[in-house]
Amino acid sequence: NAGVTQTPKFQVLKTGQSMTLQCAQDMNHEYMSWYRQDPGMGLRLIHYSVGAGITDQGEVPNGYNVSRSTTEDFPLRLLSAAPSQTSVYFCASSYGLGTSESDTQYFGPGTRLTVL
Amino acid sequence: DAKTTQPPSMDCAEGRAANLPCNHSTISGNEYVYWYRQIHSQGPQYIIHGLKNNETNEMASLIITEDRKSSTLILPHATLRDTAVYYCIVRVHPSSNTGKLIFGQGTTLQVKP
Repeated sequence: NAGVTQTPKFQVLKTGQSMTLQCAQDMNHEYMSWYRQDPGMGLRLIHYSVGAGITDQGEVPNGYNVSRSTTEDFPLRLLSAAPSQTSVYFCASSYGLGTSESDTQYFGPGTRLTVL
Repeated sequence: DAKTTQPPSMDCAEGRAANLPCNHSTISGNEYVYWYRQIHSQGPQYIIHGLKNNETNEMASLIITEDRKSSTLILPHATLRDTAVYYCIVRVHPSSNTGKLIFGQGTTLQVKP
């Protein structure tokens, strides 16, 4: 299993540009989520999905859109990039929410985004 | 979810046991203690979790006090590759909320040769 994969690893955008960060998992996990991590800080939840076709907002959703058309993929779209969105973005997945074991989350390697 | 308090940094000699404390004095009866770590520039990695009994797996041991107000993560034989930020997280299970993991500042463990 490849686990959780993210592309690209690095990206530089200009203010106002849009782009999509890709996330895929091959573990048949129901739950997927996106976090951002700013320098010296913990991770903050952006959006999450409990299954294909179901998404919801986390604590910092503004400026981002998500969709979940398949179990495997959970892309994150930046609509109009701003310097405040410069961060490291992590995708995570788990079997689901229901037991302490199923809730163990697996993280991807991250995408380092710089918005100029 | 209950808040946790961890020391900002710790050192450990290679080959010795690393004992990382976590205080969670406001923990509720249905909240679990999770430990994750983040090695520099990588995504967080799950280590271990528990409710009230001590737990052990291939990576570490988790000791939870009887009153559940604190816990200790033990890496029995620390190696240089264990240098990372260690996060203690308390949350409810089964989770009926977002599944969000609340990462605090964690403890930066430096394993030295």
